[in-house]
Amino acid sequence: DIQITQSPSSLSASVGDRVTITCQASQDIRKNLNWYQQRPGKAPKLLIYDASNLQTGVPSRFSGSGSGTHFAFTISSLQPEDIATYYCQQYNNLPAAVTFGPGTKVEIK
Amino acid sequence: QLQLQESGPGLVKPSETLSLTCSVSGGSINTSSYYWGWIRQSPGRGLEWIGHIYYAGDTYYNPSLRNRVAISLDTSKNHFSLKLRSVTAADTAVYYCARQYGVIIGNWFDPWGQGTLVTVSS
Repeated sequence: DIQITQSPSSLSASVGDRVTITCQASQDIRKNLNWYQQRPGKAPKLLIYDASNLQTGVPSRFSGSGSGTHFAFTISSLQPEDIATYYCQQYNNLPAAVTFGPGTKVEIK
Repeated sequence: QLQLQESGPGLVKPSETLSLTCSVSGGSINTSSYYWGWIRQSPGRGLEWIGHIYYAGDTYYNPSLRNRVAISLDTSKNHFSLKLRSVTAADTAVYYCARQYGVIIGNWFDPWGQGTLVTVSS
C-alpha cells in the first residue's frame, strides 16, 4: 500500500502570509495527487487535482506543485476564510486504491 | 448544480448493519462519466475511502472493508446506497457520499454531501 505523510500537522500564520504544506508518497505516484479544504463542521472541498490543476471556482491564491513522491500546496496570501484543515489524497491502480493524508490544520495568528 | 445528501440512522448497534442512502439532485447518476463514492471520517482513522460504484453496477471497495461492505444504486430513484455489516465501535464516523471522477482519467471527489454521523453503540 502507498503511504502518504503530510507536514506540518498544524501551522499558525498571519493574514497575508505565504503558507506551504507538503505531502510525501512512499512510492512514485506521478502526478496522482489532489488537495482538499475542510472548514470546521463542513465536508471537504476539492481545490487542486492532479497535483497542479486548480478546480473551477477556486481562488488563484491556491496552487499545487510536484510529481513523483514530493508534492506541495501553497496559499500565496492567507485570508481569514482559509482557516481549515487541508488534506492531500493520492490515487493509483485505477479505479481503486485511494488514500488521504492525515491533514494540516491552518490557523490565524 | 449537483447536490448529494446522505440519509440513514444515526445510531447502529454493534454487530448490526449500517445502511445509508445518498440522494443525488441536479444531475443523473445514470451516467458513464463518473463513479459514485462513499468516504468516512473519524478522529482515529482520518478520511478513509470506503468504495464506489459505476452506473452499470461495477463496484470497487477498500480492501480493508471488502468483506463487510456493499454499495448499490437505484437509477430510478437517482440514489445510491451503502451497507456495512457487523459494525463495531471502530465504524463510528461521519459518512460522506461524493461524485467520484476517475472513469477516464484522475480519481478525485467533487462535490461531497454534507455528511452524516453514524454512532455504533448499544
